[in-house]
Order: sequence, then structure tokens, then C-alpha cells
Amino acid sequence: SQQGEEDPQALSIQEGENATMNCSYKTSINNLQWYRQNSGRGLVHLILIRSNEREKHSGRLRVTLDTSKKSSSLLITASRAADTASYFCATDAGGTSYGKLTFGQGTILTVHP
Amino acid sequence: DSGVTQTPKHLITATGQRVTLRCSPRSGDLSVYWYQQSLDQGLQFLIQYYNGEERAKGNILERFSAQQFPDLHSELNLSSLELGDSALYFCASSVRQGSGNTIYFGEGSWLTVV
Repeated sequence: SQQGEEDPQALSIQEGENATMNCSYKTSINNLQWYRQNSGRGLVHLILIRSNEREKHSGRLRVTLDTSKKSSSLLITASRAADTASYFCATDAGGTSYGKLTFGQGTILTVHP
Repeated sequence: DSGVTQTPKHLITATGQRVTLRCSPRSGDLSVYWYQQSLDQGLQFLIQYYNGEERAKGNILERFSAQQFPDLHSELNLSSLELGDSALYFCASSVRQGSGNTIYFGEGSWLTVV
């Protein structure tokens, strides 16, 4: 079953613009992780945000987490054509989940040069 | 490069056959996870091992089994294959078994069942 629901399902922007992807989930979490997947390739870890954190930055990436709304967003600033990929949020429920992740369906981002 | 190595990268096999997917976790990682990615089901957690012991089980079919060896590499065995088993199978690893650890994924093994 999918824990995270991502919005939008697809996003098309021009190089230099910002891209925002949203993720909503249903149950309480220990942390939330964002991944990128280039077409048919492996999942690349982008950022992990813990349930007691509200915002985290890594380079051009900014992730926010609102546990009261059970939602997270990933912002990519000054996008590049190389950012074209699918982006997934994945939640870790903690406790006896032993760190297993539950993934959303992903957002397909296309950045036009 | 995540440091997680999976082999083979691609394989094509016939229905009813059995295949083994192999995974070497990142150096020092004790926890190994297997995931399946298909068009209709998305990314699904299959099973997790920690230091050789099974820790968590997800939507893994009875026809599938896995193990983690003393050298920490892991194998996912898929038997009596059906067309619907065609998918991208990921192995992932993390240092520990608990929550809050970054989980690193390999490039995946593409399985096509014909």
C-alpha cells in the first residue's frame, strides 16, 4: 500500500524556474526521505527529515515537514535540465518498522532547457 | 554511486523458472532491504534483514524468499515466475536496522518474465 500521495503527478517547467513537489501521508512517522530516480535507474537519496524537524536544506533542495498536516514538500530552486527525473517521498513509521520505507507514487519532473 | 551493488542488471526468463538476484550492501552496512518496483504497484517493500536475521516482511509472495549471508551480502530468490513478476527489484542498505537511518539503494535488477 502507498503511504505517501504526491502532488502533482507530473510537473513541467523551464530551466531556471523553481519546482515544488508535495507529499501527503496518512500515519505518524519517524522520518521522511526524498529520493530521485532517473528513468529506469536506481533511487538516489536526496534528503532525510526527522519528525521533529520542520525544514532542511541541501544545496538547491529545501524540504519542509508539517506533521500536523501530515505533509512534506520538496523545493528545487533554479532547476536544470539534469533535474529531470521522478521524485519520491518515502515515510518511515518508526517503532517496529525497523526502518522500512513506504513510498508514494512519485512526481515526474521535466525541466526544459 | 550509492555503494550498493546488484547483479545481474538485466535478465529475461520464462514463466515457471527460478532466478536469484544478488546484492552487496555498502561497506559497513548491516541492514539490507529488498523492494519491488512495478508500473501497477509502484515501489513495494518486500523484506528486510539485519546482520543475517530477518527483521521485517512486507508484501512478499510465498514464491519469493531471501537470505543474508555471514559476509552480509543478500540474495532474493524468485521461483515459479509469472508474467506479473516482471519488475525492477531494488536492494537497499543502511548501517543499522532502526528508524532514522539513511537508506541507500542500488541500481536495481530488471527482471522480464516472458
